[in-house]
Amino acid sequence: ETGVTQSPTHLIKTRGQQVTLRCSSQSGHNTVSWYQQALGQGPQFIFQYYREEENGRGNFPPRFSGLQFPNYSSELNVNALELDDSALYLCASSLSGRGADTQYFGPGTRLTVL
Amino acid sequence: AQRVTQPEKLLSVFKGAPVELKCNYSYSGSPELFWYVQYSRQRLQLLLRHISRESIKGFTADLNKGETSFHLKKPFAQEEDSAMYYCALRTGANSKLTFGKGITLSVRP
Repeated sequence: ETGVTQSPTHLIKTRGQQVTLRCSSQSGHNTVSWYQQALGQGPQFIFQYYREEENGRGNFPPRFSGLQFPNYSSELNVNALELDDSALYLCASSLSGRGADTQYFGPGTRLTVL
Repeated sequence: AQRVTQPEKLLSVFKGAPVELKCNYSYSGSPELFWYVQYSRQRLQLLLRHISRESIKGFTADLNKGETSFHLKKPFAQEEDSAMYYCALRTGANSKLTFGKGITLSVRP
């Protein structure tokens, strides 16, 4: 069984640029959630995708967008990067969109915005 | 809105000492509470959830709705328990989690 993987591991961008982060969910999981973890903070929910549809969104502006593909892998896109977007971005997959299912986290992508 | 508060950033104890990591939550409905752990150089992983009422690695946590708390306890800490611990709250139909800021547990030999 393959766990959740994320790419790239690290990324450096400048303010105003756009970035795409990728996540492959654990085998058999059809739900992916994205979280932002700023330094010294707990993860903060960005949004969730269930069977290619957005299934809930946190308090993030529209320049944070996502996609889920038929194989249930996912992308997080951030436009017009700001300095405060510097954070660790975590992806988590679960068996379904139901709350009872355990979320399995990936190792994260560290984004630095200069 | 829901909120999770972990009032301490760091807890340092000696091996064999009891441990209590505090967690308080704010939510008007029926909450589901979790503890997640992140060991050094490892990914975030689920430690336990209140609905399971189980003990994992000697840790237990009881949901106290009157005090809106879900403190994590272990009677005798081990060095391998040293890690970052996050309390999390799930609300709503999807599996969105609201996390606290986390606490670093350091167990000294």
